[in-house]
This record gives sequence, structure tokens and C-alpha cells, in this order.
Amino acid sequence: DQQVKQNSPSLSVQEGRISILNCDYTNSMFDYFLWYKKYPAEGPTFLISISSIKDKNEDGRFTVFLNKSAKHLSLHIVPSQPGDSAVYFCAASPKGLNNDMRFGAGTRLTVKP
Amino acid sequence: NAGVTQTPKFRILKIGQSMTLQCTQDMNHNYMYWYRQDPGMGLKLIYYSVGAGITDKGEVPNGYNVSRSTTEDFPLRLELAAPSQTSVYFCASARGSYNEQFFGPGTRLTVL
Repeated sequence: DQQVKQNSPSLSVQEGRISILNCDYTNSMFDYFLWYKKYPAEGPTFLISISSIKDKNEDGRFTVFLNKSAKHLSLHIVPSQPGDSAVYFCAASPKGLNNDMRFGAGTRLTVKP
Repeated sequence: NAGVTQTPKFRILKIGQSMTLQCTQDMNHNYMYWYRQDPGMGLKLIYYSVGAGITDKGEVPNGYNVSRSTTEDFPLRLELAAPSQTSVYFCASARGSYNEQFFGPGTRLTVL
């Protein structure tokens, strides 16, 4: 039972354009959401998070949007750079508790020069 | 400061064999976690620990055992390996139960 779903296994964009990665969740108890980034042969690293009391959080080129009614969140990267090429995981948990966190399967982003 | 280190990077086991995946962190974090990631799936929590001597089951604990005798180390033991345990295993640590997790590079395990 996948409570967090990333329906696009891969995404390819041109350098300088916007990348939009999507994530859907089913559990209404989730109120804290995170994005992790993973390069090959490395572990995931935290990228950005959002609490359900907000609908948007920005950090430089990265913005996460949360639509609670649709149980949907998205990560926008503007402008995309070749160094952003990685696998991006969406994760969600009740109140940000790590041992209740659920992860999506990941989306592989390729940014072409 | 190495962060979270895992050994080995790769391993092939035969059905029924046992092995221990090692995880060490040098950040003095109390919380440590073991996850597995199967192809096309998200990370799933196997076991976690809130401090030395204290461990608890996660979402998918069957077939695994853990121990936490020191703050730094959190080994994961596979007894009687099965093909269903073929996966990539990630160890992580965090300062607290709500704090950012820091992940190791993973161990790719194949059971044949």
C-alpha cells in the first residue's frame, strides 16, 4: 500500500527551463512533507520541506507547493541546471516524525545542457 | 567528519546465508534508522533506534535483527537470507526524532 506516489519515474528538461516534479499522497494524517535528492552511489540528502500550515515554501531555486485538498505536492526547480540531474524522492509523515515517514519511489530528473 | 558510513557497498549472498550490514555515524546522533529500497518502490523503514540499547521495529522488520551497543554503530543482521531480501539498504541518523535524517551511501545486496 503505497501512501506516497510519484507517478513519473523520469523527467527530462532543458537547462534554464523549469522542472516540475509531482507527488501524491493518500494518508490524511500526513502533515509534514519533504523532498530528498539522490545522486548515484550516494545516500539521499534533504532538499526542502513544507508543513501543512503552509501552501508554499521557497529556498533559492527550489519551491515546494502543497495542495492539501488534492493531497498533492510539487517541487519546482527554476532555472534547472545540469547539476540538478538526480533522483528526487518525496516523503511524508505525521508531524514530521521520522519513524512514521513514507517515501515515494522517486523521479529521475535529467537536465540537458 | 565522515557522516554516515556503510559497509559493504555490494554483496551477493546465497539463500540461507547470514550477514551483517555495518553502519557507523560520527555526528553523535541519538537516532538511527535502517531502510530498504526495492526497485520501483520508496524507502521502507526496517528498524530504528532512539539511543544505545533501545531499538524498535519499523514497517518491514521480518527477517532482520538489529542491536545498538554504542551511539555510533547500528548493525543490521540478516539471518537465513531469502531472494525477497534483495534490495538496496540505507542507514540514516538524526539528532532527534523530528530532525533531518542523514543517509549513508547504501549497500546493494543480492540474494541468489
